[in-house]
Amino acid sequence: QSALTQPASVSGSPGQSITISCTGTSSDVDSYNYVSWYQQHPGKAPKLMIYDVSNRPSGVSNRFSGSNSGNTASLTISGLQAEDEADYYCGSYRSSGVWVFGGGTKLTVL
Amino acid sequence: QVHLQESGPGLVKPSETLSLTCAVSAYPITNGYYWGWIRLPPGKGLEWIGSIYHTGSTYYNPSLKSRVTISVDTSKNQFSLDLKSVTAADTAVYYCARPLLGHTLVAPFDSWGQGTLVTVSS
Repeated sequence: QSALTQPASVSGSPGQSITISCTGTSSDVDSYNYVSWYQQHPGKAPKLMIYDVSNRPSGVSNRFSGSNSGNTASLTISGLQAEDEADYYCGSYRSSGVWVFGGGTKLTVL
Repeated sequence: QVHLQESGPGLVKPSETLSLTCAVSAYPITNGYYWGWIRLPPGKGLEWIGSIYHTGSTYYNPSLKSRVTISVDTSKNQFSLDLKSVTAADTAVYYCARPLLGHTLVAPFDSWGQGTLVTVSS
């Protein structure tokens, strides 16, 4: 059982927007603005897409955006493209150097 | 551009110790980052195992703390993971990683090794 809760799967058609939720607790998502999102393609290492709730690392498309409200963080991907099909994981800092992650969401581009 | 490479046995017997090393190249391991280990069990989510500073300060996942030791060898520019008393539940792809920012524990991991699959089986 992962510390953060994500939907197992989401899907969308090319050009559409989708949102993936990530529900935590008062010990992590609701207490710290240190939520991050990772994209992972099969057989590849995770890639950081969003950090500190809504910041994009250099080189990440502005089609990816993040937000949070209370104990739930969200990743939105707009203008879906075939290459966005991947697994997505959220992560959050939880104090005393501890990090927690979600169980992952499989995004299917129809 | 930092490069991280995991190495170690791909098969470990139950009750034994899983040992992995992460070789860091193109970047001095002493430059102030909290280097981390993360794993991905088959069909499950990512799990942070722990992090280490070049001085040897460590931070561990509370659920694994009793079985985990992370160490650093600055002379070889590498850090290592030992996980003792393994079971099938420890079967996973193990990654080493470096955070986005140095000198802080709250930075997410943005540089990752390719990962190495470790299977626990007799």
